[in-house]
Amino acid sequence: AQSVAQPEDQVNVAEGNPLTVKCTYSVSGNPYLFWYVQYPNRGLQFLLKYITGDNLVKGSYGFEAEFNKSQTSFHLKKPSALVSDSALYFCAVRAASSGNTPLVFGKGTRLSVIA
Amino acid sequence: GAGVSQSPSNKVTEKGKDVELRCDPISGHTALYWYRQSLGQGLEFLIYFQGNSAPDKSGLPSDRFSAERTGGSVSTLTIQRTQQEDSAVYLCASSLAGPSYEQYFGPGTRLTVT
Repeated sequence: AQSVAQPEDQVNVAEGNPLTVKCTYSVSGNPYLFWYVQYPNRGLQFLLKYITGDNLVKGSYGFEAEFNKSQTSFHLKKPSALVSDSALYFCAVRAASSGNTPLVFGKGTRLSVIA
Repeated sequence: GAGVSQSPSNKVTEKGKDVELRCDPISGHTALYWYRQSLGQGLEFLIYFQGNSAPDKSGLPSDRFSAERTGGSVSTLTIQRTQQEDSAVYLCASSLAGPSYEQYFGPGTRLTVT
């Protein structure tokens, strides 16, 4: 079975500071990993994904994520947080061998960037 | 181009009534997914369509829930005899075929059962 854990329900960071939102996963075989952001009263927006290749993936709005196979982690990072980054962030996983099966999502982490 | 659209954006219904929620996926996307998001919670998978294959209904919480996809495009999620615990945001997503493709989400339908 596939699963995702986001150990922090809430992350608070001061504007201008670096931010990290943590994600660990469990999947049989190679994983495909995704990050999404959800602003209030909106659907989920795709940020970035890891499929293969370079472990550091860059995405929208200056976000990046690092795939670490040995730690089964895919933490989301940004060097300098903005107040507008405040939102709900979801990590998701799918086994590479599983075809188009639905992504399995974590419970989400609420990021609050304080001016 | 046009993204995933859902209608209605909000639906308030009385307990016991039936409701239909509609999803228009991105043109050319063969995979379509329905999820449910309760207040402050993560996403709960409901049902998934891939091309002409039989849908994966493994996430439907009860037989009051059903969905269809006509012509490989538009999908309708139907909830019969609604209960208060059905209140949630229902999200639809679509994607291209293949495990490496991301899902694109619609804005959701907020269902409130009174």
